[in-house]
Amino acid sequence: DSGVTQTPKHLITATGQRVTLRCSPRSGDLSVYWYQQSLDQGLQFLIHYYNGEERAKGNILERFSAQQFPDLHSELNLSSLELGDSALYFCASSGYGHQNEKLFFGSGTQLSVL
Amino acid sequence: AQSVTQLGSHVSVSEGALVLLRCNYSSSVPPYLFWYVQYPNQGLQLLLKYTTGATLVKGINGFEAEFKKSETSFHLTKPSAHMSDAAEYFCAVTLSGGSYIPTFGRGTSLIVHP
Repeated sequence: DSGVTQTPKHLITATGQRVTLRCSPRSGDLSVYWYQQSLDQGLQFLIHYYNGEERAKGNILERFSAQQFPDLHSELNLSSLELGDSALYFCASSGYGHQNEKLFFGSGTQLSVL
Repeated sequence: AQSVTQLGSHVSVSEGALVLLRCNYSSSVPPYLFWYVQYPNQGLQLLLKYTTGATLVKGINGFEAEFKKSETSFHLTKPSAHMSDAAEYFCAVTLSGGSYIPTFGRGTSLIVHP
């Protein structure tokens, strides 16, 4: 058990809809990362938060947004969903977001857009 | 920007045989290198990492990797494969003087035959 909790584990929705994925980082970790994993793109970095502040953005679509709350949990909001958004979304946490830190990954949320 | 190439999307070995998973990186500054493993229906977990110092790094479950700067490689090896090693393996890089966001390779699926 990594200590990172992601909910829900599975999400099935329709095109055009909006969903929210939730992540609770490991106790004491200030850094939260979101990644998207798909067969054709591999593991793609979306966004990083540190202690409530956005620190880095990757290949995140404008239809997607995220935030980290004062209790350090994070939410990834996906709107106007398209078929191509179907993927496994991972949240990971680390202590301070340093280059030499390992990431602790949650089990992911499998999103299926029908 | 850094990048990682994992040669071979699938590697098949017999139980008891040597495991060799290849990873080459590209970066303009000294890298920090990581190997993660993903078992079915789970998140990624760290096998080992190289930051500074000894270039031969030992990890969990009998795996090790050697950082070779001249070859820009960080190949993962295990002397004797076990059925439980069957999983997806990811190489990742961050930069000591730059980006702290891990960039992942496309992954290599290790198949172990009895």
